[in-house]
Amino acid sequence: DTGVSQDPRHKITKRGQNVTFRCDPISEHNRLYWYRQTLGQGPEFLTYFQNEAQLEKSRLLSDRFSAERPKGSFSTLEIQRTEQGDSAMYLCASSRGLNGDTQYFGPGTRLTVL
Amino acid sequence: AQSVTQLDSQVPVFEEAPVELRCNYSSSVSVYLFWYVQYPNQGLQLLLKYLSGSTLVKGINGFEAEFNKSQTSFHLRKPSVHISDTAEYFCAVSHVGSGNTGKLIFGQGTTLQVKP
Repeated sequence: DTGVSQDPRHKITKRGQNVTFRCDPISEHNRLYWYRQTLGQGPEFLTYFQNEAQLEKSRLLSDRFSAERPKGSFSTLEIQRTEQGDSAMYLCASSRGLNGDTQYFGPGTRLTVL
Repeated sequence: AQSVTQLDSQVPVFEEAPVELRCNYSSSVSVYLFWYVQYPNQGLQLLLKYLSGSTLVKGINGFEAEFNKSQTSFHLRKPSVHISDTAEYFCAVSHVGSGNTGKLIFGQGTTLQVKP
């Protein structure tokens, strides 16, 4: 069990650029979640995958955001035309198949939009 | 809709003193309850969770929490804190039920500052 990994750990970009983050969940976990955490706040849910199917998206996820999980393994989160308000820590978590199962979090990707 | 309120944004305490971090939630349906800890520059780590059964839940590092359904609370306690407990603590809930995604709704967090 190598844990949840995320890449990159830090990303600095200019406003208007596109960025993509990657999350590798724990291998036998079929649930994958993305959250966003801004300074001084708790994480906020963005989207949820069960295997390769994206089953829920938050209203926080504007049309500039897109997420995929091809083949039910790793996941990517892309932000198009970044804005300064997108600056945050983006967290990925994975869990087994049942509600109440522990979600294991990755270290996060810190995005700074200049 | 669900919401989680952590009543204290910062809790300063001296080493070896007891501590309580407060959490209240609002939900129209049954929930599971969690406490996570975030050490500086690290990811979130589960301290403990309540799913069902005994309302007193014991977790890692000597922490425990008690679920109080009538007061919709899930306060976290430790009888004697260490410097190493300095961190951000998050309370969270998720819906019970097979049709739900298990997504977590977090509180705003409480910073525990343990002083020597």
